[in-house]
Amino acid sequence: QKEVEQNSGPLSVPEGAIASLNCTYSDRVSQSFFWYRQYSGKSPELIMSIYSNGDKEDGRFTAQLNKASQYVSLLIRDSQPSDSATYLCAVSQNTGRRALTFGSGTRLQVQP
Amino acid sequence: GAVVSQHPSRVICKSGTSVKIECRSLDFQATTMFWYRQFPKKSLMLMATSNEGSKATYEQGVEKDKFLINHASLTLSTLTVTSAHPEDSSFYICSARHGQSGNTIYFGEGSWLTVV
Repeated sequence: QKEVEQNSGPLSVPEGAIASLNCTYSDRVSQSFFWYRQYSGKSPELIMSIYSNGDKEDGRFTAQLNKASQYVSLLIRDSQPSDSATYLCAVSQNTGRRALTFGSGTRLQVQP
Repeated sequence: GAVVSQHPSRVICKSGTSVKIECRSLDFQATTMFWYRQFPKKSLMLMATSNEGSKATYEQGVEKDKFLINHASLTLSTLTVTSAHPEDSSFYICSARHGQSGNTIYFGEGSWLTVV
């Protein structure tokens, strides 16, 4: 079983719609959760981090965390063509090396 | 925001040779850096954790004698791919943890390695 699972997509949404990206993780001791955006051929860039249950909003992005269900999601409101990219979910523990474990990513396509 | 610089961004080398990739934290000190490898359309796979002043910690299945990691200062870690083979061709990405910024991890720009 993969430690961090994501639907590979592609997820296609029309411009202006809400894109919903989901991620599940298997390690219950995970305490830090991140969403990264990666354009083709480029390095990941951090979009959101979330550490406690509930919602966290930053501009058009909302991260949601449910530790009981081991589930984290990312909502992108008013999706733009420039949001088209692969979105990587990553988790880490707050002790030890605290390295990030990544999911395989969901490819998002926003149609103009 | 914090910047992590990686060099070179692209490199082509011949089979059997070695190539070094540098990762620098430009505006903060990083006691821990991480090296990832990413194959096309795949996720980032952690190769090793680089610790300043001590030996790197390698993930299972990663050959430490082939992927030499040195973290000689608080701002520089290097990855040397030794005796490179075509199957080592990949996108190598470093990241550094910013201890004074909530332990946020920042990524370098990545290095494309092609072994011919």
